[in-house]
Amino acid sequence: GENVEQHPSTLSVQEGDSAVIKCTYSDSASNYFPWYKQELGKRPQLIIDIRSNVGEKKDQRIAVTLNKTAKHFSLHITETQPEDSAVYFCAARSGGSNYKLTFGKGTLLTVNP
Amino acid sequence: DAGITQSPRHKVTETGTPVTLRCHQTENHRYMYWYRQDPGHGLRLIHYSYGVKDTDKGEVSDGYSVSRSKTEDFLLTLESATSSQTSVYFCAISSLQDIGSYEQYFGPGTRLTVT
Repeated sequence: GENVEQHPSTLSVQEGDSAVIKCTYSDSASNYFPWYKQELGKRPQLIIDIRSNVGEKKDQRIAVTLNKTAKHFSLHITETQPEDSAVYFCAARSGGSNYKLTFGKGTLLTVNP
Repeated sequence: DAGITQSPRHKVTETGTPVTLRCHQTENHRYMYWYRQDPGHGLRLIHYSYGVKDTDKGEVSDGYSVSRSKTEDFLLTLESATSSQTSVYFCAISSLQDIGSYEQYFGPGTRLTVT
């Protein structure tokens, strides 16, 4: 089955700096890669996703890049703000898998004012 | 919030007792999922359903069973709860946005403590 590795497990940045979280996946047939943000005590919220036929996608201060050859994808947050502090999860969906997602173990991002 | 509710939201139970968690959705989504979330492990799939009476196992299904007798409800049962099943349980649905997408949205979660 699919295996997703996520790094780093914790990340601390100063407000205004950029943050990058990286994930690798094992199944070359995986075709959909979402990112979720989870604030303390809340549910995971989908913030951005990318499909395998696209190399990059942006939504305001967040962007995701995908390298299918290397089987890795990354989340980029620019101009970080304290409200970006949360746990971020990447995930991958294998083709023909009844749309199951395999999640990374998460990155705790702390943005210091 | 994709019309997903979970009940109960919090439960404390004793080892060896049966427990059933309910996920209810109001938007006729075909796919439903149960995950557990534990520190250091992220979100792990327990069971999922791809239609009424159609279910399958995820990566951590031992000790859990599920049922889906109607589209809107997906039940997770711990036949005999153990302390290792203390966790936060999230239900999720897949929402077809367009072909090939199937974004997943999560319910509010149930915090289960087995003493």
